[in-house]
Amino acid sequence: DTAVSQTPKYLVTQMGNDKSIKCEQNLGHDTMYWYKQDSKKFLKIMFSYNNKELIINETVPNRFSPKSPDKAHLNLHINSLELGDSAVYFCASSQETTGAKNIQYFGAGTRLSVL
Amino acid sequence: GNSVTQMEGPVTLSEEAFLTINCTYTATGYPSLFWYVQYPGEGLQLLLKATKADDKGSNKGFEATYRKETTSFHLEKGSVQVSDSAVYFCALSVGASKIIFGSGTRLSIRP
Repeated sequence: DTAVSQTPKYLVTQMGNDKSIKCEQNLGHDTMYWYKQDSKKFLKIMFSYNNKELIINETVPNRFSPKSPDKAHLNLHINSLELGDSAVYFCASSQETTGAKNIQYFGAGTRLSVL
Repeated sequence: GNSVTQMEGPVTLSEEAFLTINCTYTATGYPSLFWYVQYPGEGLQLLLKATKADDKGSNKGFEATYRKETTSFHLEKGSVQVSDSAVYFCALSVGASKIIFGSGTRLSIRP
């Protein structure tokens, strides 16, 4: 069983479209995250939810909206897609958010290409 | 603020060579330090960690020692294999703040 699974793995779409990426974790973790990785592999945190509550919201355009229906799921909806949104998006989870116990478990990523 | 600086890649080595990837950090408080590895087409996974000064984390032949005096956590391996080709991320976590990742170092091993 995959610990953190996200779908789809690949997403190709046109500028201006709206799309969603889904993420589920079966680790029983309380905290989930969305990261964006650019073509140079730089990893940037976007959002974090703890038990369905938003705890981290970095400077991300309003077009990006996370939704957590329960603590095992964190979905990412993107409105009005732009060329610059092309990247790999990673979902992750952790049991704790402090110090040594803040170990992140990542999904395999969703490669988004906006044409 | 908290930050992580790691050596720029790509790093290209021959099989069985000695590897060092440098990582230094700035932190308020006492951070825990991590190395994550990202294999091609996959997400990041924890490679090793250290929680206090002079701790040594190790896994799969990789080692890193938490050096408070030099604020460093360099990754080393005595003899690399082709299968070690990946991107390596140094990271820190302090208190309840978010984990901070370095910019990643791409490692390529030639047979």
